[in-house]
Amino acid sequence: GESVGLHLPTLSVQEGDNSIINCAYSNSASDYFIWYKQESGKGPQFIIDIRSNMDKRQGQRVTVLLNKTVKHLSLQIAATQPGDSAVYFCAEKDWSGGTSYGKLTFGQGTILTVHP
Amino acid sequence: DARVTQTPRHKVTEMGQEVTMRCQPILGHNTVFWYRQTMMQGLELLAYFRNRAPLDDSGMPKDRFSAEMPDATLATLKIQPSEPRDSAVYFCASGPMSSGNTIYFGEGSWLTVV
Repeated sequence: GESVGLHLPTLSVQEGDNSIINCAYSNSASDYFIWYKQESGKGPQFIIDIRSNMDKRQGQRVTVLLNKTVKHLSLQIAATQPGDSAVYFCAEKDWSGGTSYGKLTFGQGTILTVHP
Repeated sequence: DARVTQTPRHKVTEMGQEVTMRCQPILGHNTVFWYRQTMMQGLELLAYFRNRAPLDDSGMPKDRFSAEMPDATLATLKIQPSEPRDSAVYFCASGPMSSGNTIYFGEGSWLTVV
C-alpha cells in the first residue's frame, strides 16, 4: 500500500555549494528562534539562534536571517560538507504569557543531502 | 560536558505493558520538555515543566500518558497501557527559563510496542 507520512521538503546540494533552508512561522508572539540539526539516530542539536530584535546572526559557516514582517526564517550554510547532511528544524519560542510561556514549537523539518 | 540523559535508549514491549521513560535534565535547568517524534507527525510537544510544575500537557493523551518531575534531577514519562501507535522516539529536553536561551535535547528513547 501507499506509505503515509510527513513529506518533508528536501534540498540536495553538491559539496562546497552554499545551502539555504527556509522556514515559515505562524506565531507573532514568538521572540526567539532556533535552528536545530538532527542526524539519523540522534536528538536535535542546537546550531544557531536569533532574537526577534535582530534580523541577521552569523556563526561558523552558518547564518540565520529573520524577516518578522512575513514571519520567515532562513538558515544559510556556507561551503556545505557531507557531514552537514541531516534534517534541519526551525523552532520558535513563545513568551506571550500563560501556559505558552517559554514553549518551544518546531517546524516540520527539511532534509539536506550533500553529495560529494 | 553537560547533557540531557535519557533512559532507556531502546525499548521493545508488548501491547498493554507499562512503559516508563526517564530523563535527567542538565543541572541548573528549570524547564523540561517531553517531545514525541514520528514519521507521521514530526516533533510533537507532549508536556512541559517549569520549576517541576506541569505548565502545559495539552499535547499528551491523558488516558494513558502521565508525566511527572519527582525532583529537579528527574523527569518521567509513563505510558499505561502501551499501544502499538505509541511506537516513536521520545525526546526529553531541558533549558534555563530565560528569554533567549535555547533548550538542549537528549538522545531519545526509541520505543517499539508490538
